[in-house]
Parts: sequence; C-alpha cells; structure tokens
Amino acid sequence: DAGITQSPRHKVTETGTPVTLRCHQTENHRYMYWYRQDPGHGLRLIHYSYGVKDTDKGEVSDGYSVSRSKTEDFLLTLESATSSQTSVYFCAIRGIGGANTGELFFGEGSRLTVL
Amino acid sequence: AQSVAQPEDQVNVAEGNPLTVKCTYSVSGNPYLFWYVQYPNRGLQFLLKYITGDNLVKGSYGFEAEFNKSQTSFHLKKPSALVSDSALYFCAVQRSNDYKLSFGAGTTVTVRA
Repeated sequence: DAGITQSPRHKVTETGTPVTLRCHQTENHRYMYWYRQDPGHGLRLIHYSYGVKDTDKGEVSDGYSVSRSKTEDFLLTLESATSSQTSVYFCAIRGIGGANTGELFFGEGSRLTVL
Repeated sequence: AQSVAQPEDQVNVAEGNPLTVKCTYSVSGNPYLFWYVQYPNRGLQFLLKYITGDNLVKGSYGFEAEFNKSQTSFHLKKPSALVSDSALYFCAVQRSNDYKLSFGAGTTVTVRA
C-alpha cells in the first residue's frame, strides 16, 4: 500500500459543470502525477507536479488544470467537463525518494462519467 | 518525444506454457523501461524495471524482461503461465534525464486452464 487515496472514486456529472478530483498521499513524496486511462490509448499523462506549487503539463493537458498547495494533496480540475473527458483517472507518486529511477505507485482510480 | 508500442492487443496462452508480451519503444537518449500489471477495477501494479546494467531483469511473480537496445525492445516473459496471470499489462518508457513516464496501449493476457 503506497498510501495514495483518490476521491471521489466514482462521479457522474453533466456537460459544462466543474469537477475536481483529489489525490492524497501519506508518504511525503515530491513527484505526483495525473493520468487518464482510455481503451486503446493506455494511460496518458495529464499533468504532474514536482513540488508544492510546481506543476507541468503532460501530453493531454487541454481542458484540465491542477493545483498543489501542500505536499500531500494534488488536485485535478475540469473547469467545464465535456463528454470526451469521460474516463478513469489515476493518480501516481514516484517512489525511492523521488529519484527518476523510481517506479510510480498508483491509486485505485476515479471513474468519471460526463453526460 | 517518447513512445511505446505493444503490437498485440491480446495474448492467449494455456496454463503452464511460456508467456511473452511484446514491447518496443522510441526515445532519445538512454531509456528507463517499466512493466506494470492491472487487474480489473484496480490501479496499476509495478512488476519490474530496467535502469542500467544486466539486460535481463527479474521482477515480481516470476516475471522477467530482456532489454534489447539494438531492437529497441523490452519484452516481458514468464516461463510457465498461471491462470492468475490473466490481466492487462502495460509497458512504459522514460528518458533517463526526465520524470515523465509514457505508457503503451496495453496487452490483455488470458491464461486458460
């Protein structure tokens, strides 16, 4: 157990509404990531963070924003949800003290459905 | 840019037979390579990684993978598959001077009894 909690685990919302997903870690890791998983695409990186208030874009960042005001929490926000953002979202942290040789540990996922 | 190709969407094997899941990658510079497994409705679990050194890497649950630089491949193998190995497998690549991991589309493995 890598001490990662995602909330909510399931959410159904309507097009145009804002949605925030939360990732909470108890391990004090520096690097945190948000991925989305879609059939045929595997996992695609949305945003990642390398410290408090330090974030960077991934390959599919359009329509998403993130915030990290404290080490343990990494928030993913969809300002105005669209049906194309229906997906399973995974948070991950990097182990081994944050060295880039460390593997990622994943949360259990948040399933978002946008109607 | 970096990318991973998993050429087989599905692999089907009989229990007790060897299992191979293929992965090729494209990255500038030296690659770090990873394999993950995902069981239904769960997050990804780390299996093994190649960072440097011996090209044959051994990991969890009896899995191993061989790094082949000339063929830019990192195939996952298990000598004798179990029904419990049935799952979705992902290969991933990262540049050695970066922190972003890129995943393949995944390969569904089914092991029949």
